[in-house]
Amino acid sequence: AQSVTQLDSHVSVSEGTPVLLRCNYSSSYSPSLFWYVQHPNKGLQLLLKYTSAATLVKGINGFEAEFKKSETSFHLTKPSAHMSDAAEYFCVVSDPGMDSNYQLIWGAGTKLIIKP
Amino acid sequence: EAGVTQFPSHSVIEKGQTVTLRCDPISGHDNLYWYRRVMGKEIKFLLHFVKESKQDESGMPNNRFLAERTGGTYSTLKVQPAELEDSGVYFCASSLAGTVNYGYTFGSGTRLTVV
Repeated sequence: AQSVTQLDSHVSVSEGTPVLLRCNYSSSYSPSLFWYVQHPNKGLQLLLKYTSAATLVKGINGFEAEFKKSETSFHLTKPSAHMSDAAEYFCVVSDPGMDSNYQLIWGAGTKLIIKP
Repeated sequence: EAGVTQFPSHSVIEKGQTVTLRCDPISGHDNLYWYRRVMGKEIKFLLHFVKESKQDESGMPNNRFLAERTGGTYSTLKVQPAELEDSGVYFCASSLAGTVNYGYTFGSGTRLTVV
């Protein structure tokens, strides 16, 4: 069965410092992996996705994530945090090899707090 | 291009009442999905429509929940009668194709509070 673990419920960083949001997954096959972001009172927005191409994936707003199969990880990073990055981030997995390939399995979310 | 629209954005109802949530997908998107996040838990899949047909409703929690998509356009999700544990945020998404690789567009969600 697929599952996603986001290791931190909250991450607090100072503006201008690096961001690291951790995600580990469990999947029986070759997964697709995503990061979504939800800003306050907004919808869920796709940040980036990994679908078995390059293991280092670049997304919007300067975020990137690296797929590491040996570690079953898909951590999200950004070199320099901005106040506008304050939001909740979700790591998501899906397995295109299974019949129900349209279902997304969500992590519990990590709230990113940016200190001025 | 208009995005996925959900309304109401918030709803507060009493236990035992009925509530209907609505989702308008992006025009031309045959695939429509409902997800739910109850307090303190992960976002969970509820069901998937392809046009007006239910492709998969395995995530629907019980028979108090009824989803429809008449004519393959907008969708409604009715909860009758509502219980306290139904409180949460209900998200709708739509896509052109049924596989996740194509990506979904999500609405802003409906926050349902049952008191």
